[in-house]
Amino acid sequence: NAGVTQTPKFRILKIGQSMTLQCTQDMNHNYMYWYRQDPGMGLKLIYYSVGAGITDKGEVPNGYNVSRSTTEDFPLRLELAAPSQTSVYFCASSYTEGTLNTEAFFGQGTRLTVV
Amino acid sequence: AQKVTQAQTEISVVEKEDVTLDCVYETRDTTYYLFWYKQPPSGELVFLIRRNSFDEQNEISGRYSWNFQKSTSSFNFTITASQVVDSAVYFCALSEAYRDDKIIFGKGTRLHILP
Repeated sequence: NAGVTQTPKFRILKIGQSMTLQCTQDMNHNYMYWYRQDPGMGLKLIYYSVGAGITDKGEVPNGYNVSRSTTEDFPLRLELAAPSQTSVYFCASSYTEGTLNTEAFFGQGTRLTVV
Repeated sequence: AQKVTQAQTEISVVEKEDVTLDCVYETRDTTYYLFWYKQPPSGELVFLIRRNSFDEQNEISGRYSWNFQKSTSSFNFTITASQVVDSAVYFCALSEAYRDDKIIFGKGTRLHILP
């Protein structure tokens, strides 16, 4: 039972570099999310997806891109890394059918530092 | 739009005291779900409870209890006889069943249990 798997766990980027944070889930969940958590702060929604081929912006989408080509995978792309993107990134998934909503299942997080 | 407010940014109590964490939500939906998560110092997000808007019964799980009051749009969390291991950040979250299923989080309450 893998649940939600994020890679890498840690990464240091230089300003202007690009990278992709990988996220995969094996629970056949339709919803997937990317949140960021700055030091000592709460969770801010970056992007989310309601199913393969459909993505939507959250609260703080600037500087990020996502795609959802399969139900399982929801990668987050940083194109030009900036120090303001130093944060812990959490991927999560949940299932919705009709009026049934499950809780969000979280990955272990990716700690990203931009220097 | 949906919103979750956790007005208490940080709380400190002495071990064995009871403590209540407040959560107030806003939604126009008639069916919705509320959640609580714990984030210990190790950083992972631990799911605690999911509550449907139609189920207003209070819930107790060991030293944890939850008080759901639709009349005041609150879903408060009480820890009885607190222990040092309860020190963590606690997040309240909401998802609507009709308008917008995505899960949004409050800013969290950092709880310090002092020995």
